[in-house]
Amino acid sequence: QLQMQESGPGLVNPAETLSLTCSVSGGSISTSNYYWGWIRQPPGKGLEWIGTMDYSGTTYYNPSLKSRVTMSIDTSKNQFSLRLISSTAADTAVYYCGRGSAAAGGAFDIWGRGTMVTVSS
Amino acid sequence: SYELTQPPSVSVSPGLTARITCSGDTLGHKYTSWYQQKPGQSPVLIIYQDNKRPSGIPERFSGSVSGNTAALTISETLAMDEADYFCQAWDINTVVFGGGTKLTVL
Repeated sequence: QLQMQESGPGLVNPAETLSLTCSVSGGSISTSNYYWGWIRQPPGKGLEWIGTMDYSGTTYYNPSLKSRVTMSIDTSKNQFSLRLISSTAADTAVYYCGRGSAAAGGAFDIWGRGTMVTVSS
Repeated sequence: SYELTQPPSVSVSPGLTARITCSGDTLGHKYTSWYQQKPGQSPVLIIYQDNKRPSGIPERFSGSVSGNTAALTISETLAMDEADYFCQAWDINTVVFGGGTKLTVL
């Protein structure tokens, strides 16, 4: 069973870069059958899609975050990463990584447990 | 930007049927997915491609689409179904989530 695990600093200073990694186990990230995404959830609020990428590096970003977001993939480590520059308090959220499935109509069928990131000095 | 609209809350008595809607422009021409999220947990996919259930999801969860509105129906609702529910769709290479609906089982 494929599993996903987010990792990274739980506290980020304002104006600095938020960096997270998602490690995938139990299956290869180098597959054309799936794609890989980041979703976040501010405390007490709903889900916000950040971006999605496939194993070849093709990326799609939320237009509202596009100017600050970069996603990358490391197939040798079976990981993909998120960088969000110029962080503000509004970026405080639980960050999830997820597996997207084109065969499932674009649904995220597997999610990580999430990691809380607080942007504060 | 594309938006999906859900009611903030829905209440249902145990054993009865709950229905949660999700509306969006031309939603009937897209695939809708539904997720269940309980407090402190990650979202779980419960419906994909409008009306398909992943393995392990009880049959009491079903999805449908009519026009530009998708619906999640929970039959014979149990107390354990109390959770937040989110719809999701793709629109021109972007993923959109609805605002979420809190289901209360009274």
